[in-house]
Amino acid sequence: KAGVTQTPRYLIKTRGQQVTLSCSPISGHRSVSWYQQTPGQGLQFLFEYFSETQRNKGNFPGRFSGRQFSNSRSEMNVSTLELGDSALYLCASSLALGDADTQYFGPGTRLTVL
Amino acid sequence: SQQGEEDPQALSIQEGENATMNCSYKTSINNLQWYRQNSGRGLVHLILIRSNEREKHSGRLRVTLDTSKKSSSLLITASRAADTASYFCATAGGYQKVTFGTGTKLQVIP
Repeated sequence: KAGVTQTPRYLIKTRGQQVTLSCSPISGHRSVSWYQQTPGQGLQFLFEYFSETQRNKGNFPGRFSGRQFSNSRSEMNVSTLELGDSALYLCASSLALGDADTQYFGPGTRLTVL
Repeated sequence: SQQGEEDPQALSIQEGENATMNCSYKTSINNLQWYRQNSGRGLVHLILIRSNEREKHSGRLRVTLDTSKKSSSLLITASRAADTASYFCATAGGYQKVTFGTGTKLQVIP
């Protein structure tokens, strides 16, 4: 079974721009979660989608948004980029919602904001 | 904010030695999971222990959970250079977000 894939793997943007990251979960997995990882804040939960609906949301500003499609693929969007948005963005998929099942992580997208 | 705090923040050992890292958390949980991350890459799931379990083994890994103390430990026996990575605990209770600890950076010296 193919693992979680994330595209692109690396991205360089400038302040004020917007960016869209994509995540394809493991086949059959319906839950997709997004995390931001920075040296200062560690791994921070962004949001979780299940059956095309956002089920949980972390403490991030409205500039961070996401969606999930009927095939469970997910995208996250960050608008009006700030320098502090530079981070590794990780996507994880699981069969079930919440903590009921193990999450499998993708390799991440490294975003650099200049 | 992070639910888990890990201790130590960094650990350096010789190959063949055992490595122990600890995780403390704040609220009730349904399960606790340990993950490994190699140098800025994705996380790899190692082991899941449920709140009604006290100990679990997987290969060279042994995890304990003490819900009364809200703590868990991960023991890696007979460490190898390939075990060099950051290790994170992750907790969740019910249909809530999974929260990661601060991580322990392990270096295994050949």
